Amino acid sequence: SQTIHQWPATLVQPVGSPLSLECTVEGTSNPNLYWYRQAAGRGLQLLFYSVGIGQISSEVPQNLSASRPQDRQFILSSKKLLLSDSGFYLCAWSVQVDYGYTFGSGTRLTVV
Amino acid sequence: AQSVSQHNHHVILSEAASLELGCNYSYGGTVNLFWYVQYPGQHLQLLLKYFSGDPLVKGIKGFEAEFIKSKFSFNLRKPSVQWSDTAEYFCAVPSNDYKLSFGAGTTVTVRA
Repeated sequence: SQTIHQWPATLVQPVGSPLSLECTVEGTSNPNLYWYRQAAGRGLQLLFYSVGIGQISSEVPQNLSASRPQDRQFILSSKKLLLSDSGFYLCAWSVQVDYGYTFGSGTRLTVV
Repeated sequence: AQSVSQHNHHVILSEAASLELGCNYSYGGTVNLFWYVQYPGQHLQLLLKYFSGDPLVKGIKGFEAEFIKSKFSFNLRKPSVQWSDTAEYFCAVPSNDYKLSFGAGTTVTVRA
């Protein structure tokens, strides 16, 4: 069966520090991968998605970036965090969007 | 591209009351529809989905949703809520070949 792993679960980082969040999927090949952010009272915001290795689509301009170095690995990064980057970050995968997504357990990031 | 709108931002009700959350999608044709639930502090989980066939879909934890094509709606219902149903609920539809479009979410608070 397919599983999705996301870590860390919580993270407190100072302003200006770098960020690396990792997401991996097991049990499937060539999944579509997604990074979402939930900020307080702002719903779900799609940040990036990837339909294959090295293929990244950015939905919102910001100081975040994403990479997909391997088929089932999706990384969210920042060189310098801002206070506004605080939020709940969710990774998700799908084989085909018509079947919906499966979400990871999320990372709660607090930038201080 | 398809989009969804959720009518209720916050619903407060007592245990044993009936719940109905509205969701409308933007235009007709073949459509797959989803409801996701997010319990406090947790990630999103699939509650139920509609692909085709019987327009009344039953999901987990006693939830059901009815697809009404003529109204472009996919409302979520539960006849008798419990305190543990306190959560945020999101309706979603594929907006293109790769992405789901999520509604703004409805926060449901069930009072004991």
